[in-house]
Formats: sequence, C-alpha cells, structure tokens
Amino acid sequence: AQSVTQLDSQVPVFEEAPVELRCNYSSSVSVYLFWYVQYPNQGLQLLLKYLSGSTLVESINGFEAEFNKSQTSFHLRKPSVHISDTAEYFCAVGTDSWGKLQFGAGTQVVVTP
Amino acid sequence: KAGVTQTPRYLIKTRGQQVTLSCSPISGHRSVSWYQQTPGQGLQFLFEYFSETQRNKGNFPGRFSGRQFSNSRSEMNVSTLELGDSALYLCASSLGGSGSYNEQFFGPGTRLTVL
Repeated sequence: AQSVTQLDSQVPVFEEAPVELRCNYSSSVSVYLFWYVQYPNQGLQLLLKYLSGSTLVESINGFEAEFNKSQTSFHLRKPSVHISDTAEYFCAVGTDSWGKLQFGAGTQVVVTP
Repeated sequence: KAGVTQTPRYLIKTRGQQVTLSCSPISGHRSVSWYQQTPGQGLQFLFEYFSETQRNKGNFPGRFSGRQFSNSRSEMNVSTLELGDSALYLCASSLGGSGSYNEQFFGPGTRLTVL
C-alpha cells in the first residue's frame, strides 16, 4: 500500500514571494506523481505530473516539482506567487496505469498582498 | 472538447434516503473514477469503471455502488444515507487503456449534504 504526506496544512505567503509545498510518499512499487490544484467550489485541475524521465517537471504557470527517489519526495515550488495562486494543492500518487490515485491531505496556500 | 460534467451540482437529502449521482466523461474516454472528498478524511478513492466493468475498488461499505453505461457515462448510488456521507463527490475520466499512464480529468463535483 502507498501513502502520501503533505507536511503543511496551510502556507501563508506574500505576493511575489517564493513558496514550497512539501510532499513525501511511501510505496513498495514504482509510482507516478502528481500535483493537483483546487479552487473554491471547483474540481481538481492537474498542475504537473511525473511519469518517468527527467526528475524536474514544470507547469505552464511557473510551478515546478522535483522527483527525489532516494528521499521519496515530490516537492512543489514557485519562485514568485500571485494572488490568483490562492487555492488548495494536493499531491497524489498512482501505481498503475488505470488511474487510482492516493491523495495527500492537501495544503492550503493563502497569498496576501 | 467538453470537459467532465457532473449532475446535479448540489443535493440535499435526509438520513436513510438514497441518492444517485451522474458523471459524463470527456468524449472518447472509457474510464470513470469516483472520489469522495470530506474535510476529515480528505480525498478517497471509491471505485473505477472501464468499459462497463468495475476495475478497481476502494474501501467503502456496500452502500456505495456504481455502474457504467455503454456510452461510458457513470452513476454512483449511495443507499441508506448517513450524516457522514456529506461530501463533495468527484468523478474523473480518462482514456483508460493499459500500458502508459492515463491522465485523469476531474469534473466540478457534486456537493451532497445529508441532514
């Protein structure tokens, strides 16, 4: 069985400051890793994913995450946040191609001016 | 392409009743997964259907059931509702084939409130 731990339940950050959201996982098999974002009253949107290959993955809106196999981590970073980045962020792990995902508890990011 | 749609968006029921939620996947997608999201338990996998067959199942009681139709639309049913069933129910669709990973696309969810 696998598990996902998001170490921070809430992260307050000022606009234009950097942010890092931490995610650690445990699994006895190879994993696929994901970050999803959820805005209020909406579903989940895929932010970025690691399936294989380069351990550094980037999204189109400035987020990046690095897969670290030895530390079983997949931390999410953004060098400069905007007010519009205020949302809840979920780290997720999948172990097969069929789509069952194990989610972390989520990290609420609150960006203030 | 239209995204994943879920109906209804909001639902209020009383304890003991049953409820049916609907999910229409993205055109061409054959897999539909269901998740329950609550403040206490977070996001939990309910089940996944592919080509009208349940292919994967989470750890939920038998009161939670689902089905998938030949057009890939899916429904989930919760019988004998309990207060703890109040949650946002999310469905996700994907192409569903085996081999490489199938990206999942989530719908906006159905907010179920049990009184």
